[in-house]
Amino acid sequence: DGGITQSPKYLFRKEGQNVTLSCEQNLNHDAMYWYRQDPGQGLRLIYYSQIVNDFQKGDIAEGYSVSREKKESFPLTVTSAQKNPTAFYLCASSMVRGSVGYTFGSGTRLTVV
Amino acid sequence: GENVEQHPSTLSVQEGDSAVIKCTYSDSASNYFPWYKQELGKRPQLIIDIRSNVGEKKDQRIAVTLNKTAKHFSLHITETQPEDSAVYFCAASMGQAGKSTFGDGTTLTVKP
Repeated sequence: DGGITQSPKYLFRKEGQNVTLSCEQNLNHDAMYWYRQDPGQGLRLIYYSQIVNDFQKGDIAEGYSVSREKKESFPLTVTSAQKNPTAFYLCASSMVRGSVGYTFGSGTRLTVV
Repeated sequence: GENVEQHPSTLSVQEGDSAVIKCTYSDSASNYFPWYKQELGKRPQLIIDIRSNVGEKKDQRIAVTLNKTAKHFSLHITETQPEDSAVYFCAASMGQAGKSTFGDGTTLTVKP
């Protein structure tokens, strides 16, 4: 759907659990990003990657981890160290060359139960 | 790091009127400024963008202006329609595929 797929759409986490959100793209984009969206706070950057096997922390990386083993895939793990994980998580991708906009996935809504 | 402020947070207009959303940024090295539209329950979608070597760009009913000296840029929507109702986000980034910093969003409501 739109070249970038996030799954699952809804995810429920118990206290103390790690959960992994999937993001896959078939756009041949080099760069991939994870943002967290909370009501009234816009989008805040968690992690980003411009190339396979390399990634950088964003503004709110604490309690999250990522991997970039394949160009197409950029999974995000929400660990038990993230104290307030309930949010809407958006994955995005873009070409590296030039200043270009993002293509977003449809998002995963994570709720702690 | 970069800081982007967006105003207003909510905007209500009558159908056919114009809407203007303003953003300011802090880092003079930012050189790319996209705008995204997010309809309720959907993903953000790029609607228009502007680069730092351009002062204005227009695409049908939407336009963006950039003032590099003042470090602010604006989205203008003319002849608004109910389907323009959505949350609009501005962003600023620098370099090739630089990470974007987003404003907090503006909820635009167009009343028929």
